[in-house]
This record gives sequence, structure tokens and C-alpha cells, in this order.
Amino acid sequence: EPEVTQTPSHQVTQMGQEVILRCVPISNHLYFYWYRQILGQKVEFLVSFYNNEISEKSEIFDDQFSVERPDGSNFTLKIRSTKLEDSAMYFCASSVEKGNEQFFGPGTRLTVL
Amino acid sequence: KNEVEQSPQNLTAQEGEFITINCSYSVGISALHWLQQHPGGGIVSLFMLSSGKKKHGRLIATINIQEKHSSLHITASHPRDSAVYICAVRSIYGATNKLIFGTGTLLAVQP
Repeated sequence: EPEVTQTPSHQVTQMGQEVILRCVPISNHLYFYWYRQILGQKVEFLVSFYNNEISEKSEIFDDQFSVERPDGSNFTLKIRSTKLEDSAMYFCASSVEKGNEQFFGPGTRLTVL
Repeated sequence: KNEVEQSPQNLTAQEGEFITINCSYSVGISALHWLQQHPGGGIVSLFMLSSGKKKHGRLIATINIQEKHSSLHITASHPRDSAVYICAVRSIYGATNKLIFGTGTLLAVQP
């Protein structure tokens, strides 16, 4: 069964460093999403992406964040200068069409020291 | 106030028991999702529904749009059902596609 994959599973970085989290959505899916979950809190929406552009973003998704689909398979989330409060689990998701069921990847645990 | 509320927050059951987890929401929605999150952190989609009832194996999800309420039922519960169950909704407003999540219900099924 096709699934969303994410790499790495765990990333440790120093405050101020740039990180890139990678996702491979399900191959025939057209909509891509990033969500995050700070430890002990609920999952929060960051951004959605369609047709090579951001279709929606939350107030969390400020200028420190960017997303890209650099090739036909990868979907990346970049945090330019990480802060302690960026420590969280980051989930990628994809869906066939807008409004369809979203399928989640296993997550990347980001730890900022 | 949270737009999506779940109850109970924590639930402990004995193997074989019938389990119900509730979700109430305050916004108009186009769809509601039930998701499962295991201790390792990964999220698995269980159901997406916009009306009525869906069944998959021992899991049943129902939704009442007028009352803005959904329930997830687990029949003949098993220790492997132990996980966090999360309700998430997609609002009908603003052509949004984002999901708004509840805080989850931590279920522990004891043998």
C-alpha cells in the first residue's frame, strides 16, 4: 500500500542553524501539507501546497519557514534559523485532491538545542 | 475555547470492552477525520466522514452534523488498540483545506 515517507526520523540541531525536513508524498497525490506537534500539545497546521505554490498557511508559518517541491517526488520544509520553540514533531501529509482524505507520514522529531 | 473538543481525555478499559470516544466541534465543517497516533508518534487515518456512519473492522465512526458531534466506537477492544485517538475537522469557511485538531484521547486497553 502506498505511503507517505519522511526523512530523517529524528534531527538534532543547534539554535540558529538551518534544517530541511524531507517528505515523499504518495505518488498520485496533488495536495501536500505540513503539520507540527509540540510535545504534549495538539497537532497544528503549518502550510498546504498545490501546483507548486502555497495554497494556505497558518500564522505559525512565518518568514523563517519555506516549502519546496524540488523535483517530482520530494516535498521539503526548511526552517532558516531554528529556535528552541521549533522543537516538535513535524508531519507531512498528502491527499489526492482538495477535500480528500489526508494521509500522514511517520513524522520527523526535531530537537533544537 | 478550542474549536474541537474531545472526551474523555484519558480512558482505561479492560480487554473486550466496548469503547466510545466523543468529539464535539464548534465550526461548520465539510468533513471530520478520526486519526490514531501510536506511542512512536506516527499518525494513521482511520476515517473521514461528512455524514452518517462508517465501519471498518471493529471500528465504527458516526457523525451528527446538526449536533456538531461525532463518536468513535471500538468493539471488542484489544491491548493493541492502545493509542491516542484524535478527532480533526475541516472547516467549510474560506475554502480551507487545513485540518483543525482536537487534543486527543489517550486510550489504554489492559489485558
